[in-house]
Amino acid sequence: DGGITQSPKYLFRKEGQNVTLSCEQNLNHDAMYWYRQDPGQGLRLIYYSQIVNDFQKGDIAEGYSVSREKKESFPLTVTSAQKNPTAFYLCASRRGLAGAETQYFGPGTRLLVL
Amino acid sequence: SQKIEQNSEALNIQEGKTATLTCNYTNYSPAYLQWYRQDPGRGPVFLLLIRENEKEKRKERLKVTFDTTLKQSLFHITASQPADSATYLCALEIDSNSNSGYALNFGKGTSLLVTP
Repeated sequence: DGGITQSPKYLFRKEGQNVTLSCEQNLNHDAMYWYRQDPGQGLRLIYYSQIVNDFQKGDIAEGYSVSREKKESFPLTVTSAQKNPTAFYLCASRRGLAGAETQYFGPGTRLLVL
Repeated sequence: SQKIEQNSEALNIQEGKTATLTCNYTNYSPAYLQWYRQDPGRGPVFLLLIRENEKEKRKERLKVTFDTTLKQSLFHITASQPADSATYLCALEIDSNSNSGYALNFGKGTSLLVTP
């Protein structure tokens, strides 16, 4: 099956702890994205990457970090600097670098703070 | 700043009627606009893309219009069914220079409830 996988489905973070959310795609897409969604809110862009070893900050990058060492993987680390990390995190990918391309989303990871 | 506005109030309609959802935007000059469907606890799923030179686009019971003068898109579901109940998001490309690449900004979405 082709698609985007995110793990884990639920993740619990303790105070002061860094946690990493996994995102993998086997669609051979160049671009990958991380969004955060809070209850009743829209999707807000955290980071995105167009090619391996390169990424750009989105609107709410503070307290997060990413890496893109492989085309198919784009993990997101929620650091202790992110004071309000409880949210639904969505990873997405897109085929090309040009516009007019649709984004494909993973099933999401729900992060909760203990 | 760039803004995408969708009706924040939920839309409740009766099965068989046409649902119409609105997306307004400011400070964008979009070449195209997209609509997505999101079910609770799941990632959004792409529905339709309409380009600036297309006034209307259809896919089965779905119809999207795009008015770049009004800066507005309308999303219609005809002969609505309870299975159409979901949140519908519109999305536009963020303004970025060519070096930054492309990413979508999303509206907050409108929740649609279709009752039998």
